[in-house]
Amino acid sequence: GAVVSQHPSWVICKSGTSVKIECRSLDFQATTMFWYRQFPKQSLMLMATSNEGSKATYEQGVEKDKFLINHASLTLSTLTVTSAHPEDSSFYICSARDPGTLYQETQYFGPGTRLLVL
Amino acid sequence: AQKVTQAQTEISVVEKEDVTLDCVYETRDTTYYLFWYKKPPSGELVFLIRRNSFDEQNEISGRYSWNFQKSTSSFNFTITASQVVDSAVYFCALSEAPGTASKLTFGTGTRLQVTL
Repeated sequence: GAVVSQHPSWVICKSGTSVKIECRSLDFQATTMFWYRQFPKQSLMLMATSNEGSKATYEQGVEKDKFLINHASLTLSTLTVTSAHPEDSSFYICSARDPGTLYQETQYFGPGTRLLVL
Repeated sequence: AQKVTQAQTEISVVEKEDVTLDCVYETRDTTYYLFWYKKPPSGELVFLIRRNSFDEQNEISGRYSWNFQKSTSSFNFTITASQVVDSAVYFCALSEAPGTASKLTFGTGTRLQVTL
């Protein structure tokens, strides 16, 4: 299957700092990438849809000024958590949409980034 | 609104037992996708299968099989002769019609523990 990487895999930062997480599709081009957040023992919650060359679409309740998304190329999307606070500590996962052939589209997931804000 | 329900939070079986993971979904779309993903203890989500709503054929891949029943809005996953390596959290997911920036709606996952 297709490979999606995320960097860093984990990060610890001080409250008030910003953290950037990268998501790359390694062997396919992804016009659409997605950013999820997972709380302990809960499902993945979609935060936003990242579209190459245009603004991201945020889900209800997600602060777009807090979670900045940039999808500058067909293989890279970044999520920046600005002025991070302890409540932002979580596991962030990206996925990249491989359109495949008609009716064969699939999302492939990165390994996730664990963020701890002190 | 779309919704995916995985009623089984945790299942524990002994190796070589068969196990079925349940998935029930809700959607107003007439065309949609269903997925199963596996998340091993220390790894990323791994894509297992995609099923399109207009294709109700069941599928078998080795020890894995999937039963899609549109009449009951279910997409159950069966592992035959389970192995310790099958231990993981399994997520069922639903997405909108193709051709859109299809968002995935996930179930809460079922943790499968296979012991010797």
